[in-house]
Amino acid sequence: DVKVTQSSRYLVKRTGEKVFLECVQDMDHENMFWYRQDPGLGLRLIYFSYDVKMKEKGDIPEGYSVSREKKERFSLILESASTNQTSMYLCASSPGTGLRQPQHFGDGTRLSIL
Amino acid sequence: AQTVTQSQPEMSVQEAETVTLSCTYDTSENNYYLFWYKQPPSRQMILVIRQEAYKQQNATENRFSVNFQKAAKSFSLKISDSQLGDTAMYFCAFMMNRAGSNYQLIWGAGTKLIIKP
Repeated sequence: DVKVTQSSRYLVKRTGEKVFLECVQDMDHENMFWYRQDPGLGLRLIYFSYDVKMKEKGDIPEGYSVSREKKERFSLILESASTNQTSMYLCASSPGTGLRQPQHFGDGTRLSIL
Repeated sequence: AQTVTQSQPEMSVQEAETVTLSCTYDTSENNYYLFWYKQPPSRQMILVIRQEAYKQQNATENRFSVNFQKAAKSFSLKISDSQLGDTAMYFCAFMMNRAGSNYQLIWGAGTKLIIKP
């Protein structure tokens, strides 16, 4: 089975801090994604990557950056955390390209910015 | 712009009943995939079922089946003989081609399904 591991399930940080959320997948998937999940809004795509060192902006990239130095690891960075970034963050991965490939998700990180 | 609408924020049914979750979407694409994902209280999102737009036959996975109406842009999920373990948030999602070979899932807001004993 595909395993997508997010480094923390719960995280509490302060306004202005630099925050790193880490995600690792063990199935050699090319594509990796970062979403935030808020009640009533579903999942919104922040960034995705289809190859090492490649990144593409999603629908809500403002205030975030990402890093993919190795194929299995995709990091989400909040350069200067703000309270409106309090949310659930989900990482996902998928193989190759094509419409039919489902995404596999980690357990999520509940991030609170105080 | 492509959108996905789930009109039922929350539903509850008795165990063993059949329940249908609705989903509508808007797109001008001809070739696409539709997915239903489930997120139990433990939070890991899990794929339930998927449907290719070109296939007329509705997809089924054990107790889960879809009613895909392409002309109406409707993709509902039917859960038969519901079980307590089916309690979860259910998300409908539409896979679109974002640019070149990149694909993106567009998500509905979700339906919270509660199965009562």
